[in-house]
Amino acid sequence: DTAVSQTPKYLVTQMGNDKSIKCEQNLGHDTMYWYKQDSKKFLKIMFSYNNKELIINETVPNRFSPKSPDKAHLNLHINSLELGDSAVYFCASSSRVADNEQFFGPGTRLTVL
Amino acid sequence: GQQLNQSPQSMFIQEGEDVSMNCTSSSIFNTWLWYKQDPGEGPVLLIALYKAGELTSNGRLTAQFGITRKDSFLNISASIPSDVGIYFCAGFTDNYGQNFVFGPGTRLSVLP
Repeated sequence: DTAVSQTPKYLVTQMGNDKSIKCEQNLGHDTMYWYKQDSKKFLKIMFSYNNKELIINETVPNRFSPKSPDKAHLNLHINSLELGDSAVYFCASSSRVADNEQFFGPGTRLTVL
Repeated sequence: GQQLNQSPQSMFIQEGEDVSMNCTSSSIFNTWLWYKQDPGEGPVLLIALYKAGELTSNGRLTAQFGITRKDSFLNISASIPSDVGIYFCAGFTDNYGQNFVFGPGTRLSVLP
C-alpha cells in the first residue's frame, strides 16, 4: 500500500499554462506539506495544512494555491507557469502537528518549457 | 532565517568503510531528523532525535543529537552500495511542525 502518493509523476507543460498536482495519504495523518526541490536538491517547504487548515505559507508566489478538500488530500494548483517553476515537488504528511516525523511522497517532476 | 549546514557536501568511499557526516547550525533545535533520498524517490526518514545528547541507532546507522542542540551527526558503518544517495538533516525548533528547515544534503557515493 502506498502511504503518500502523488500524481502525476512527471508533468511537462508550456509556460503560461495552469496545472495541478494531487497528493493523497492513507496514513490517517492530520498534517500535510508541499515542498519544492530545485536542481541543486535543496528542499524548501512551501505550505503546510493541518486538518484542512493552512498553518504554514512560506514566501511562495500567489500563483501557487494549495487546496485541501479533506485531511487525506492536499492538492497544489499552479497558475501561469514560469520556467523557474521547473523542479520536483514533494508532498509529505505527519501524524499530528506535534509530530515532526514527515513521510514523503515519490515526487512530481515538473518541467516548464 | 534559520539555516543548516551539512558537511561534507559529497563523499566517495569504498564499500565496507564507515561514514560520518554532520549537520550544524547557529540556532538551537529541539528535534533533529535524518533522511535519505534515493535517485528519483522522495526522502525517507532514517532516524529521529528528540533529546540533547540522545544517541540512536537504526541498523548500521547511528545518529546523535548534539549537547549544544546546534548540531547532529550521522554515522554509517560498513557501507554497502545501496547506501548511495543524498542524506538530509532537518531541524525543528518547536513541537508543532511550524518552524523547521532542511539542510542542503550530503551526497554519498560508494565504490565497489
